Amino acid sequence: KAGVTQTPRYLIKTRGQQVTLSCSPISGHRSVSWYQQTPGQGLQFLFEYFSETQRNKGNFPGRFSGRQFSNSRSEMNVSTLELGDSALYLCASSIDRVGQETQYFGPGTRLLVL
Amino acid sequence: KQEVTQIPAALSVPEGENLVLNCSFTDSAIYNLQWFRQDPGKGLTSLLLIQSSQREQTSGRLNASLDKSSGRSTLYIAASQPGDSATYLCAVRSSNDYKLSFGAGTTVTVRA
Repeated sequence: KAGVTQTPRYLIKTRGQQVTLSCSPISGHRSVSWYQQTPGQGLQFLFEYFSETQRNKGNFPGRFSGRQFSNSRSEMNVSTLELGDSALYLCASSIDRVGQETQYFGPGTRLLVL
Repeated sequence: KQEVTQIPAALSVPEGENLVLNCSFTDSAIYNLQWFRQDPGKGLTSLLLIQSSQREQTSGRLNASLDKSSGRSTLYIAASQPGDSATYLCAVRSSNDYKLSFGAGTTVTVRA
């Protein structure tokens, strides 16, 4: 089975621009979560989607948004980029049934904001 | 708010030694706890998941214990190898809001 894939893998943007990141979960997985990882703050939860609905949200400003499609693929959008948005953005998927909550992570998208 | 702490932040051991990694959390209302491994510049690889009702989980050379009442989990890696060098992260899923909270990780170096 193919793992979680994320595109693009690397991205360079300038302040004020917007960016869209994509995540394709493992086939059959219903839940997709997004995380931001930086050296200073570590791994922080952004949001989680299940069956096209945002089920949970972390403490990030409204510039960060996401969605999930009917095939479970998910996108994350960041508008009006700031220098502090430079980070590794990780996506994780899960079957999300009782006893099957293990999160499987993709390789991440490394975003650099100049 | 759940706070997850991992001590020490870094660890260096000679090959063959057993590794003991610690994770503590402030809120015992957890759904499960998961241990991950992260190699430099890469995503996370799941190692073990312990449900809140379980005391331990084992996979090969890895054993993770959970003491929910004291807010602690320990990951044991037996007979460490240079290939075990990585950052190990602990993540706790709250039973209140289902959010996953990560520790900052312990970076392990196994010297050949």
